[in-house]
Amino acid sequence: QKEVEQNSGPLSVPEGAIASLNCTYSDRGSQSFFWYRQYSGKSPELIMFIYSNGDKEDGRFTAQLNKASQYVSLLIRDSQPSDSATCLCAVKERDDKIIFGKGTRLHILP
Amino acid sequence: ETGVTQTPRHLVMGMTNKKSLKCEQHLGHNAMYWYKQSAKKPLELMFVYSLEERVENNSVPSRFSPECPNSSHLFLHLHTLQPEDSALYLCASSQDPWGSGSNEQFFGPGTRLTVL
Repeated sequence: QKEVEQNSGPLSVPEGAIASLNCTYSDRGSQSFFWYRQYSGKSPELIMFIYSNGDKEDGRFTAQLNKASQYVSLLIRDSQPSDSATCLCAVKERDDKIIFGKGTRLHILP
Repeated sequence: ETGVTQTPRHLVMGMTNKKSLKCEQHLGHNAMYWYKQSAKKPLELMFVYSLEERVENNSVPSRFSPECPNSSHLFLHLHTLQPEDSALYLCASSQDPWGSGSNEQFFGPGTRLTVL
């Protein structure tokens, strides 16, 4: 059973600190990796995607991909209360299926 | 404001009813998706249409029937649903056709479906 695993949280982070979210996946041939956030009662919004090993930065967000260890992480610098949401990891596997994790609830403490 | 719209936003139906969910994308994208989101479960991909052809059907019961009349519109026809089908149904679109590019997806607001 191919899976995408995330810690359900909640992950509580003080305002201004770095929030670190992790995701592991089982299909070694996976191609693309996505981070979405979903506010309560809303639909998912894309934060960023990554498909090459290493880091990809976009503003306060950095995605990190390590294909050898089969994990992808998201760092949020200078965390803001508006970052409080469920962060969803999604993986596009080698057969083009896109699998979502259950999400990590992130709570930024003012 | 999202470029993907869905109607209705809320739907309550009986088990013997027939209803349809509608999705429209205004982004010029080439692929459209139906997802089901239930409480405490990950998003489940139901159907994928790429360039107006169905390319993915994740073992979804036949009481759910998709239709894609053109690249901007996607429907999900519902018939003889069960109470466990109650969920948030999300439509999404991506610029790249299925199987090419990265397929990052843009989601609509969803239809909250309750089956009595």
